[in-house]
Amino acid sequence: EAGVAQSPRYKIIEKRQSVAFWCNPISGHATLYWYQQILGQGPKLLIQFQNNGVVDDSQLPKDRFSAERLKGVDSTLKIQPAKLEDSAVYLCASSSGHSGNTIYFGEGSWLTVV
Amino acid sequence: AQSVTQPDIHITVSEGASLELRCNYSYGATPYLFWYVQSPGQGLQLLLKYFSGDTLVQGIKGFEAEFKRSQSSFNLRKPSVHWSDAAEYFCAVGAGTASKLTFGTGTRLQVTL
Repeated sequence: EAGVAQSPRYKIIEKRQSVAFWCNPISGHATLYWYQQILGQGPKLLIQFQNNGVVDDSQLPKDRFSAERLKGVDSTLKIQPAKLEDSAVYLCASSSGHSGNTIYFGEGSWLTVV
Repeated sequence: AQSVTQPDIHITVSEGASLELRCNYSYGATPYLFWYVQSPGQGLQLLLKYFSGDTLVQGIKGFEAEFKRSQSSFNLRKPSVHWSDAAEYFCAVGAGTASKLTFGTGTRLQVTL
């Protein structure tokens, strides 16, 4: 079974530029998550989708971050304009959405803002 | 709101020695509890999880964890550590249907030969 796919793996941009990350969840998984992991910290949930609807985006900085999952499968996370403090690993994860189901993580997209 | 505390930022053990990583959680109801491992440059891999039932949970790679409600703890253990276990370990708590996880800050494990 293929895992959660993310791209690009690494990205370096200057502050005030924009960047987009792509995620393809495990086939059939209804729930998709984007987490932000800053160096030395645990992952923090940015947004959770159930199919193509947003379940929780309370910690998403909406003035600069946006995410979509138009067809209920792939998802894109965008940052515009980027700030230095956005340097982090952006982890995509998915689960079947059933109660107590395991959440599977991708390898992450590493962003450095200079 | 739920929270997780991992009091040890960095632990060093000798290969072959036993290991215990501490995790304390805060949640008003029965929690769903998880341990994930993250190797350098990699994503998170699930080691084990507790939902209900037996409080001693077995996971992959020889790890186990024990849920102690009275202490609000879910410590991870391994009887004999291998050099390949060197990684970052994260404890997480899930509320409700466990669809949303809150992570601790992680414990970095170093294994000396």
